[in-house]
Amino acid sequence: SQQGEEDPQALSIQEGENATMNCSYKTSINNLQWYRQNSGRGLVHLILIRSNEREKHSGRLRVTLDTSKKSSSLLITASRAADTASYFCATPPQTGANNLFFGTGTRLTVIP
Amino acid sequence: NAGVTQTPKFQVLKTGQSMTLQCAQDMNHEYMSWYRQDPGMGLRLIHYSVGAGITDQGEVPNGYNVSRSTTEDFPLRLLSAAPSQTSVYFCASSHTASGGSRTDTQYFGPGTRLTVL
Repeated sequence: SQQGEEDPQALSIQEGENATMNCSYKTSINNLQWYRQNSGRGLVHLILIRSNEREKHSGRLRVTLDTSKKSSSLLITASRAADTASYFCATPPQTGANNLFFGTGTRLTVIP
Repeated sequence: NAGVTQTPKFQVLKTGQSMTLQCAQDMNHEYMSWYRQDPGMGLRLIHYSVGAGITDQGEVPNGYNVSRSTTEDFPLRLLSAAPSQTSVYFCASSHTASGGSRTDTQYFGPGTRLTVL
């Protein structure tokens, strides 16, 4: 069964606006990762936040993590048409093999 | 580094046919895995390997077989293709085999789009 659920399933915004996507997960984690998938392509790692971190920045990306609520959010600021893609959160288990559990993803469309 | 490579990019099979999806990585990663992606379902783990000679089942292993004879290669075999196996297949690898890492991430191949008629 999938670990995470993203919200919303789809998001459409104008270029220059900010986009916020949310992720909820079920079990305790060591880290939470966000990936991007352009149409017809593989997944590309964007950012990883560790369980002892509350916020992390990378360029126009800002990720927050609330382990008490088992939730995370990804904020993309000043969006561009090239940000159009699907975004997934994923979590590995605390023990055992490094198997990622993915959410269902948020489909982001940035309108030029 | 080429990263994670997958072949073929596209494949059409008839029900009952068998085939092998190839995956290779040149980063000396311990961990490799296969996922399938279906519309609205996200990615689901089929099989994974934590090192050469070691494989195990994921969430949806039925109808698939894997082997890991070398660190670099992790082929996925469809034994007798069924229409339910129509999907996009992704191979991934990571340096760390253990889920306990606090910093490790995974690298994905470009995918194989498989249609079973």
